[in-house]
Amino acid sequence: AQTVTQSQPEMSVQEAETVTLSCTYDTSENNYYLFWYKQPPSRQMILVIRQEAYKQQNATENRFSVNFQKAAKSFSLKISDSQLGDTAMYFCAFMNQNQAGTALIFGKGTTLSVSS
Amino acid sequence: DSGVTQTPKHLITATGQRVTLRCSPRSGDLSVYWYQQSLDQGLQFLIQYYNGEERAKGNILERFSAQQFPDLHSELNLSSLELGDSALYFCASSVSGSFPAEQYFGPGTRLTVT
Repeated sequence: AQTVTQSQPEMSVQEAETVTLSCTYDTSENNYYLFWYKQPPSRQMILVIRQEAYKQQNATENRFSVNFQKAAKSFSLKISDSQLGDTAMYFCAFMNQNQAGTALIFGKGTTLSVSS
Repeated sequence: DSGVTQTPKHLITATGQRVTLRCSPRSGDLSVYWYQQSLDQGLQFLIQYYNGEERAKGNILERFSAQQFPDLHSELNLSSLELGDSALYFCASSVSGSFPAEQYFGPGTRLTVT
């Protein structure tokens, strides 16, 4: 079974600094997608970024970028120029092609606090 | 706003009762997913429907059931409720039920069982 592990329950960072959230996953499959979702205090789940496993190039979305290391099964999220609005819980998620359906498997989450 | 709607926003009920949570997917989306978020279990996939048919099942209890109607809205029925069923229940939708299906989440229904 596929698993997703986020080893940092909580992190904190100052405004304008850079922070990296870690995620590792376990799978024997070759074709899959990885995602980072943000859950602010409003509880809404918001897709931040996604990475296709077959792409070597790391995905970027404005201040958000990933470091995808397929061999190491690692998928970290880097947030540059942190803003107060980045305060949220961040979930790493996995979707496998060779499974019934297209459900997401989530990690336990990392709570990020951005302070001024 | 993701375009996915869920009602009600909050629900408080007693143990042993039955409740129904409702979800309307984004316009054009054919697939609906239900997830449960609780403090001890985290975010867990419950069940997926695609165009009215069950596509995949996750950690869904036998006391829970779901369906997707011809107009594509979905309902999650929770019965014989226990204290441990208190959680945030999310619905998500995607255009297709095939890989990779980018999912858009609704605002969730907060269920409190007392």
